[in-house]
Amino acid sequence: GAGVSQSPRYKVTKRGQDVALRCDPISGHVSLYWYRQALGQGPEFLTYFNYEAQQDKSGLPNDRFSAERPEGSISTLTIQRTEQRDSAMYRCASSLTDNEKLFFGSGTQLSVL
Amino acid sequence: AQSVTQPDIHITVSEGASLELRCNYSYGATPYLFWYVQSPGQGLQLLLKYFSGDTLVQGIKGFEAEFKRSQSSFNLRKPSVHWSDAAEYFCAVVPYGGSQGNLIFGKGTKLSVKP
Repeated sequence: GAGVSQSPRYKVTKRGQDVALRCDPISGHVSLYWYRQALGQGPEFLTYFNYEAQQDKSGLPNDRFSAERPEGSISTLTIQRTEQRDSAMYRCASSLTDNEKLFFGSGTQLSVL
Repeated sequence: AQSVTQPDIHITVSEGASLELRCNYSYGATPYLFWYVQSPGQGLQLLLKYFSGDTLVQGIKGFEAEFKRSQSSFNLRKPSVHWSDAAEYFCAVVPYGGSQGNLIFGKGTKLSVKP
């Protein structure tokens, strides 16, 4: 596609439910990144992939968070047993390679009630 | 501790006035430095970046930034602000030798533009 696409745009869920956030990167981009942005804060790195391989997951806050990119294109960030503190904007970005300019999507706003 | 500081949470300037947004970093070696802009409902967009060389960096939309090693600063400037520049601006760094994707962001400065 023309840009990085994220879905859903908004997600409201109840505490304890699992959620899956989707990212469709720019076609041909090798690297894909997930960031989380809490209200009033800058984005915070979560994890990134080159092709289907997860290169760095040091930013995932705990084991309720996981990400995959099975075919080296679309990626899913999954949060299990959501908690209110998980409420944030989740941003995906992609780049041609892992040392090139990042292109960000518009994000998924997650609200956990 | 390593950090990126944007001291101003919110700045208001008049259209046509000059702008300077401050950014300071705290790292052992000079990191790679970036400025991003986030407009409402949009993704983050790269304005400019500094890796090495000339300390005055030109970016898109008429923005520039100057790296000052002695002050550990990378301030963003624009000579004449337009109403469309109203947005949130983020300074970011990548520790020296790191991947451009593993950005560490400041908390951002929201810019409002008065007519």
